[in-house]
Amino acid sequence: GAGVSQSPSNKVTEKGKDVELRCDPISGHTALYWYRQSLGQGLEFLIYFQGNSAPDKSGLPSDRFSAERTGGSVSTLTIQRTQQEDSAVYLCASSSFRGHDTEAFFGQGTRLTVV
Amino acid sequence: RKEVEQDPGPFNVPEGATVAFNCTYSNSASQSFFWYRQDCRKEPKLLMSVYSSGNEDGRFTAQLNRASQYISLLIRDSKLSDSATYLCVVMNTGFQKLVFGTGTRLLVSP
Repeated sequence: GAGVSQSPSNKVTEKGKDVELRCDPISGHTALYWYRQSLGQGLEFLIYFQGNSAPDKSGLPSDRFSAERTGGSVSTLTIQRTQQEDSAVYLCASSSFRGHDTEAFFGQGTRLTVV
Repeated sequence: RKEVEQDPGPFNVPEGATVAFNCTYSNSASQSFFWYRQDCRKEPKLLMSVYSSGNEDGRFTAQLNRASQYISLLIRDSKLSDSATYLCVVMNTGFQKLVFGTGTRLLVSP
């Protein structure tokens, strides 16, 4: 498919375990974003990758969160020692810069539940 | 201060009403502006770009006020299907980074 793909779609994990969430952006998109969204809340920015530039990590809530983007394509968001407050939907988006016509395409998200 | 601020709502309006949302942004270097729509339990999707001269798409009108650093979205003749969260988005062209507001929730009732 041509869209942003995220896996897994659902993840239930025990408190204290590590989890990895994967995002496959649209081919050729240089920008990749991770957001999280708690139930009934707005988007919370986590991290932004743009080409080969250093990522903007200003939204990561703690040092338990990290993300990589290998080869300018696939990205993995890792949460170490998960806590119950980490439960949320994690959304990935990618875009290709086109000025006023720039559009971010989102994946369907990974719903993370920490029990 | 958040880079993009929106009233979270919810805005409760009857069918057929006209409703307007505003969004303010703090970075004067922002050069591109957009409205996205997010349906319940779905991912956000682009609704429309906002051009300097203002633009219209059917019942939706978007306007930009650079001097006051706000953008607006006007929805005329509201439909039940307009019920969603509307996200304001700005982009600093230099960084090519889209910055999303947290959204304004709209509920249209019969």
